[in-house]
Amino acid sequence: GQNIDQPTEMTATEGAIVQINCTYQTSGFNGLFWYQQHAGEAPTFLSYNVLDGLEEKGRFSSFLSRSKGYSYLLLKELQMKDSASYLCAAWDSNYQLIWGAGTKLIIKP
Amino acid sequence: SQTIHQWPATLVQPVGSPLSLECTVEGTSNPNLYWYRQAAGRGLQLLFYSVGIGQISSEVPQNLSASRPQDRQFILSSKKLLLSDSGFYLCAWRQGTDTGELFFGEGSRLTVL
Repeated sequence: GQNIDQPTEMTATEGAIVQINCTYQTSGFNGLFWYQQHAGEAPTFLSYNVLDGLEEKGRFSSFLSRSKGYSYLLLKELQMKDSASYLCAAWDSNYQLIWGAGTKLIIKP
Repeated sequence: SQTIHQWPATLVQPVGSPLSLECTVEGTSNPNLYWYRQAAGRGLQLLFYSVGIGQISSEVPQNLSASRPQDRQFILSSKKLLLSDSGFYLCAWRQGTDTGELFFGEGSRLTVL
C-alpha cells in the first residue's frame, strides 16, 4: 500500500533549528511537497523536491533521498509564527497526491 | 495572477439537511480541481477530482457528490448530511497534468449537529 509517515508532534524553542522527517512508500514517485498549515487555515506551499539533494529557501530547506524514500524539512531561526502543522505529500506514478497526517510544530519562547 | 475562492467559510447544519459548497478559480483555464476533507488532527482525504467540465472522479464512496458545471467552478453537494460529514473542506487546483503544486482555497468548516 501507499503510505507517508511523519511525527505527530514536535516541540522546539524560538531561535533554534528543527528538522521534521517524512518517509514515504508510493507506487512510483514523481516528487514530494511540503506544505505549512496554520490552525483553521488552508495549507500553503513551502517546497517541492523531485531530485535528490537539498533545496534551500531562506530559513526553510527541504531534502530528498529517493533511494531511501526519505525527506526532511529543516526550519532555522525559529519564530513563534512558525507554530503550525507541516504536511508532507508525494505524487505517485498515477499522479495522485498521497498525504501524510502532518506534524504539529509547537514553538516555545 | 490566479486566485481560488470557496464559500461559505463556516456553516452549521442539522443532520439530514442538504449541503452545497462552491469553489471558483480565476486567472487560468482548464485547471484540475480537487475537493479534500480534513478531520481534526488528520491528513487530507481526497474526495473528488476533475480534469474537465462534467468529468468527476470519486475517491471515497459516501453520501457526497461533486459537479463541475463550468471550467472553473467546482461544487460539492450532499442531499442528506451525516454527523460524520463534519470537517474542514478544502478546494484546490493545479495546472494540467504535470507535477506542479496544488493551490488551496480558504477552506469551509462544516459542523453537522
